[in-house]
Amino acid sequence: GENVEQHPSTLSVQEGDSAVIKCTYSDSASNYFPWYKQELGKRPQLIIDIRSNVGEKKDQRIAVTLNKTAKHFSLHITETQPEDSAVYFCAAKVVGTASKLTFGTGTRLQVTL
Amino acid sequence: DVKVTQSSRYLVKRTGEKVFLECVQDMDHENMFWYRQDPGLGLRLIYFSYDVKMKEKGDIPEGYSVSREKKERFSLILESASTNQTSMYLCASSLIGTDTQYFGPGTRLTVL
Repeated sequence: GENVEQHPSTLSVQEGDSAVIKCTYSDSASNYFPWYKQELGKRPQLIIDIRSNVGEKKDQRIAVTLNKTAKHFSLHITETQPEDSAVYFCAAKVVGTASKLTFGTGTRLQVTL
Repeated sequence: DVKVTQSSRYLVKRTGEKVFLECVQDMDHENMFWYRQDPGLGLRLIYFSYDVKMKEKGDIPEGYSVSREKKERFSLILESASTNQTSMYLCASSLIGTDTQYFGPGTRLTVL
């Protein structure tokens, strides 16, 4: 089955700096790559996603890039703010698997003042 | 607005007890999922269901079963709870044909 690896496990940045979280996947049949944010004590929520026919997608300070050849995708957060502090999960979905997602192990992002 | 609710936020059970975790969604979603979340291991899929009475094993189904008698409700059952099932359990749902999963608030289960 699909395997998703996520790095780093923890990341500390100063407010205003950029943060990058990287994930690799194993199944070349994966075609959907979402990112979820989980604030402390809250439920995970989708923040951005990308499909395999697109190389990059942006939404304000957040962007996701996908390299299908290398089978990796990354989350980029620019101008980080304290409210960006959370655990971020990447995930991948293999085509034809009824929305079944395989998640990475998570990255705890701490934005310091 | 999608709402996914879970029956308990915190639950404490004893080894060997039968445990039921319930999840309800109010958006007529066909797909429902049960995950467990453990530090350093991320979200691991236990079981999912894409229709009433349909179920498929996820990545870690051992020691668990599920029931989906109604479209809006998906139950996770621990037949005989063990201490290694102490974890945070998250339910999610999604609309067929879309991939966005909406999560419930989670149930933190402790098995003593």
